[in-house]
Amino acid sequence: DAGVTQSPTHLIKTRGQHVTLRCSPISGHKSVSWYQQVLGQGPQFIFQYYEKEERGRGNFPDRFSARQFPNYSSELNVNALLLGDSALYLCASSSVGGGANVLTFGAGSRLTVL
Amino acid sequence: EDQVTQSPEALRLQEGESSSLNCSYTVSGLRGLFWYRQDPGKGPEFLFTLYSAGEEKEKERLKATLTKKESFLHITAPKPEDSATYLCAVQARTGANNLFFGTGTRLTVIP
Repeated sequence: DAGVTQSPTHLIKTRGQHVTLRCSPISGHKSVSWYQQVLGQGPQFIFQYYEKEERGRGNFPDRFSARQFPNYSSELNVNALLLGDSALYLCASSSVGGGANVLTFGAGSRLTVL
Repeated sequence: EDQVTQSPEALRLQEGESSSLNCSYTVSGLRGLFWYRQDPGKGPEFLFTLYSAGEEKEKERLKATLTKKESFLHITAPKPEDSATYLCAVQARTGANNLFFGTGTRLTVIP
């Protein structure tokens, strides 16, 4: 079975540009979460979606937005990129939206902002 | 505010030299404590979930334990392939259904 797939794997942008990252969850998983991992740090929560509705939002500016589609795939959008947005962006899926559910992570999208 | 502190930041072990990694946490009602392993350039890989103080779980050379304030990941007779960053995360009973991660312990096992 395919795990969580993310695209693109690597990308380079310049300050002020916009980026869209994509995620396909494990088949049957209805919840998708996004995390940002800066080099040397642990992942930091950005968003969680379950059944196409936002279930949680971390402490990130409004430049960050996301959505979930009817097939449960998801997009993370970041506008007006800053140098500090350079990070590994991780998508994780789980079968349910609540409880101590195990998150399965993808390999991430490495974003470099110049 | 939820807080997770992992120590040490980095650990070098000889192959076969057992040790423990520590995860101290503060959370407003613990729903679960999670251990993940992360290899360079990859996403975290799930190892264990612990739910209540006194609980223990084992997988191969790894054993995770939980108290009301901290969790330990014990590594017995490690091998070079155990080299990775080990991340601890907590999930609170209230608020958003997210994981709050520590900064990890980078483990290197030398042959």
